Amino acid sequence: SAVISQKPSRDICQRGTSLTIQCQVDSQVTMMFWYRQQPGQSLTLIATANQGSEATYESGFVIDKFPISRPNLTFSTLTVSNMSPEDSSIYLCSVRDRGNQPQHFGDGTRLSIL
Amino acid sequence: SQQGEEDPQALSIQEGENATMNCSYKTSINNLQWYRQNSGRGLVHLILIRSNEREKHSGRLRVTLDTSKKSSSLLITASRAADTASYFCATDGGFNNDMRFGAGTRLTVKP
Repeated sequence: SAVISQKPSRDICQRGTSLTIQCQVDSQVTMMFWYRQQPGQSLTLIATANQGSEATYESGFVIDKFPISRPNLTFSTLTVSNMSPEDSSIYLCSVRDRGNQPQHFGDGTRLSIL
Repeated sequence: SQQGEEDPQALSIQEGENATMNCSYKTSINNLQWYRQNSGRGLVHLILIRSNEREKHSGRLRVTLDTSKKSSSLLITASRAADTASYFCATDGGFNNDMRFGAGTRLTVKP
C-alpha cells in the first residue's frame, strides 16, 4: 500500500493564524482526500483534492477557510485559515487509487489552537 | 456527512474473548472498509469487503456483509490487550468515491 507522510504531525497555534499541512505519497494515486476528526468524534470529510483544479468541498466546509492544493498525483496541502479553538482537531490525509481499492490514511496532524 | 452507525459505542472484554462490532449504513454501496485507530494516531486499514461479497477473513478478523440489511459486522477472535482501539466502518457513496465513516466502537481488552 502507499506510504503517506503528513507534516507537521502536531502543532499548537495562536488564534487568528493559519497553518498549512502537507501530504506526500510515495506513489501516484488517483484520489486524495482530507478529513477532520474532532476530539472524541469520527471522521468527517472536508474535501476531495483534485489534481490541477479546485477541490470539491463537502457541505459545511468552504475554500476560504480550508484552501487545498494538489499540484500533482503525489502531493497535496490543506491550509486551516484564521484558526479558532473550534478548529482544534486531527486533520488526516487519505488516498485511494481506484474505486474498489482500500483507502489509506496518513498518521494525521494534531492541531491545537490557543 | 456520516454514512453509518456502529454499535456498540463501547465494548469491554477480557483477553481471549471474542469481540463483535456491528455497522449499519443507509445507502447502496460498492464496498465497505473497516479501520482501527489507536488513541490519537492515524487509521489502519483492516479489511475491504465488496458489495458482492458476504464474508472475508484476515488473520483473527472476520467481516461479514449483508447488503439486504445494509449492515456489516467485524469479529475479532481471541482478543489481545493490543487490540484495544477504536474501530470504524466506512462506506463509499460519495460522488468522488470518498469514504464516509460511522461513529466507531471503542474496544477495550483487559489483560
